[in-house]
Amino acid sequence: GEDVEQSLFLSVREGDSSVINCTYTDSSSTYLYWYKQEPGAGLQLLTYIFSNMDMKQDQRLTVLLNKKDKHLSLRIADTQTGDSAIYFCAESIADQAGTALIFGKGTTLSVSS
Amino acid sequence: GAVVSQHPSWVICKSGTSVKIECRSLDFQATTMFWYRQFPKQSLMLMATSNEGSKATYEQGVEKDKFLINHASLTLSTLTVTSAHPEDSSFYICSARIQDPLEGYTFGSGTRLTVV
Repeated sequence: GEDVEQSLFLSVREGDSSVINCTYTDSSSTYLYWYKQEPGAGLQLLTYIFSNMDMKQDQRLTVLLNKKDKHLSLRIADTQTGDSAIYFCAESIADQAGTALIFGKGTTLSVSS
Repeated sequence: GAVVSQHPSWVICKSGTSVKIECRSLDFQATTMFWYRQFPKQSLMLMATSNEGSKATYEQGVEKDKFLINHASLTLSTLTVTSAHPEDSSFYICSARIQDPLEGYTFGSGTRLTVV
């Protein structure tokens, strides 16, 4: 079955870069997403990447995709305390009733000043 | 952008009662709505997929009779937790697919259900 794996915790200092890693199993994924969840809140889409792309940059965010290894990463440059949250990677999987998102367990990013 | 309004944000109910959670798409038509459940410090688990005008498709292990999903219109999907028990306490989030892949999916703000 589909499976998305992430490391659970990451702690960085303010101003450093953060790299959050994710591996997925389904090679038929069309889109891969990164979402941010702050405590008690819903999910905020940060960025996405097509499965035929290797890299995507969006301001402080850089997404790298290695299709061969099924590895996805999110790099946050100049990490700020406001970036502290849980980050989920997700892949879109064809489901029998539509295309649902399958989420990893989430990486808790803690930014210290 | 496309917004899904979910309410209530939080609800406390007694064991044995039923709770209804609503998700409305405000400025687009949501043909398909997904319902997720999230336990503390855990990932979002897909519970079911609902399509407007047809029966929901439930993921393995999710009780259809306990978690009733209705998607009667293109802008409204509801999840009713029937005969709630403390183990049903969780964070429930709905999501809708958007045509523009840039946005992909939009999520409701979630409902924190506590059953006492």
